Order: sequence, then structure tokens, then C-alpha cells
Amino acid sequence: GEDVEQSLFLSVREGDSSVINCTYTDSSSTYLYWYKQEPGAGLQLLTYIFSNMDMKQDQRLTVLLNKKDKHLSLRIADTQTGDSAIYFCAENGGGNKLTFGTGTQLKVEL
Amino acid sequence: GAVVSQHPSRVICKSGTSVKIECRSLDFQATTMFWYRQFPKQSLMLMATSNEGSKATYEQGVEKDKFLINHASLTLSTLTVASAHPEDSSFYICSADKGQEQFFGPGTRLTVL
Repeated sequence: GEDVEQSLFLSVREGDSSVINCTYTDSSSTYLYWYKQEPGAGLQLLTYIFSNMDMKQDQRLTVLLNKKDKHLSLRIADTQTGDSAIYFCAENGGGNKLTFGTGTQLKVEL
Repeated sequence: GAVVSQHPSRVICKSGTSVKIECRSLDFQATTMFWYRQFPKQSLMLMATSNEGSKATYEQGVEKDKFLINHASLTLSTLTVASAHPEDSSFYICSADKGQEQFFGPGTRLTVL
């Protein structure tokens, strides 16, 4: 199986940028995803990037992909308290089966 | 949009009871749906892939006789936890495939007493 790792916890102040990192192992992944999970809820797809891209920007979200190092990051600009949640990266290794990262809990402080 | 619903959102049952969870894609058709299990403060673990009109594909270590999956239509997949026991208590989440994206349901919290 493939391991997708993330740091467990990130704390930022409101208005600052947040950077959540993810390391994956399956070099054949065609798409890589970022999902947001609020307490007791399902997952919300935030954005995704195709494996032949280096960067994708979508409003406050910027995804960077370093395929050589198998490193994916999500930058949230102007982080707000409503961004507090758990963020999961996921890789699509084939057949649309997703392998999820361990999750990063983002805490936004005033 | 792409909305996936789950029912029920929460269920508490006695040990030995069978519990059925429904997953519906409300505004699109999904040939493939997925069932995940999530323990507290942990990531999602894929249990099985549900294919419309055919048998589900189970991940290693998941008992197919315990977790029965039926994908009767392009908008509905059901997961039945047969003879549930306290160790089956968990958060069960489904997702539905739409192109290269997967859209997730809100989850079902199962508590087995």
C-alpha cells in the first residue's frame, strides 16, 4: 500500500497564511486532492491538481506539487476562523481509489 | 453541483442488530461509489468499492459477509453492517464518483451498545 503523510497539527493567527504539507509515495498518482473536514461532517473537496502541473491557484488556495520529491502543499491565504478544520490530502493511484493522508488539524487563533 | 446524502446521520443500536446505511447521489449518476470508515482522530480507510450492477470490491481485511454492499441503481448504494458489535462503532462515510472528482456524503455515526 501507499503511505501519505501529513503533520498532525498547525496553528496560525487569523489573517496569516497557512501552509499544510503532504508527502506521498505513489509516483503513478494522476490526481492529488485536498479535502476539508469539519467536526462530525463529511469531506468537502477543496481543490485538486493534475500530476503534470506544478501549481494551481483557486482564490485563497494555492496548491504546489513537487513530483520529484512527491511533495504536495496547500497554502491558504488570509486564514480565517472558519478555516479551522482537519485537512486531508489524497492521491488517486488508479481506478479512482483514493488514499488519504493522516490529516492536519488547522487551528486559527484570533 | 454534486451532492451526496447519507441516511441515517446517526444510529445507536444494540449488539447483534443489523444496520443499513444509505448513500445517494442527489443530482448526478454514479456508477461507482465508495465506502470508508473513520475512527476518531484518524484518517479515512477505504472499505469497499461499490459498482452499480455488479458485486462490490472489498479491501483487504474487510469482511464482505459483515459489511454487505448493494448498489442497486446509479444513485443509491447501501451498506449493511450485519450483526453489529461494539467494535463496529465508527463513522462511516460514502463517496460517489463524478469524473476525476469524488464527492462525499456527510457521514453516519454508528454506535453499537
